[in-house]
Amino acid sequence: DAGVIQSPRHEVTEMGQEVTLRCKPISGHNSLFWYRQTMMRGLELLIYFNNNVPIDDSGMPEDRFSAKMPNASFSTLKIQPSEPRDSAVYFCASSLVAGGLADDEQFFGPGTRLTVL
Amino acid sequence: RKEVEQDPGPFNVPEGATVAFNCTYSNSASQSFFWYRQDCRKEPKLLMSVYSSGNEDGRFTAQLNRASQYISLLIRDSKLSDSATYLCVVNMGGYKYIFGTGTRLKVLA
Repeated sequence: DAGVIQSPRHEVTEMGQEVTLRCKPISGHNSLFWYRQTMMRGLELLIYFNNNVPIDDSGMPEDRFSAKMPNASFSTLKIQPSEPRDSAVYFCASSLVAGGLADDEQFFGPGTRLTVL
Repeated sequence: RKEVEQDPGPFNVPEGATVAFNCTYSNSASQSFFWYRQDCRKEPKLLMSVYSSGNEDGRFTAQLNRASQYISLLIRDSKLSDSATYLCVVNMGGYKYIFGTGTRLKVLA
């Protein structure tokens, strides 16, 4: 398996522009997570999908952020309009289940490094 | 108080040394615990789960102390390749994972 795939790996954009980040989870995994990582706050959960359904989007900072999972093999995170404070590394992760068990491993994609000027 | 706290380091240790990190968590209802490793500009990867009785994987030993609400990671015989950031992760039930901000380790030749 190729693991979790994310694109683009790097994105530099100007304030006000729309940004779309893409993720392909590991085949057969039912749980998908979008995280944002910054030096100050570490990894923060933005949204969690289970079987393609958004379960918890309480971590989405504001209405400028939206996420979709139209099928089991694809998810997007969109920021519109983007702002400089959105600059961070955005990770997508998937797991077989998300039951909080000790053997419940999350597999992370390589991340998208976003810079908003 | 943060839900999961770690000393950011860096811990600079010579090759062959033993080093230990602690991580404290605030919610006594936390259910499961993990250590993830993150190399510079890479994604986090699971290093090991932490079981109640403690567990060992080669040079790595993880311990859980529920009474004091901390977990620890011990690395023996440090290698240069162990240089990374170690993330403490606490599961609050279901999909709710809380990540610490990490402890940086540098193993020096």
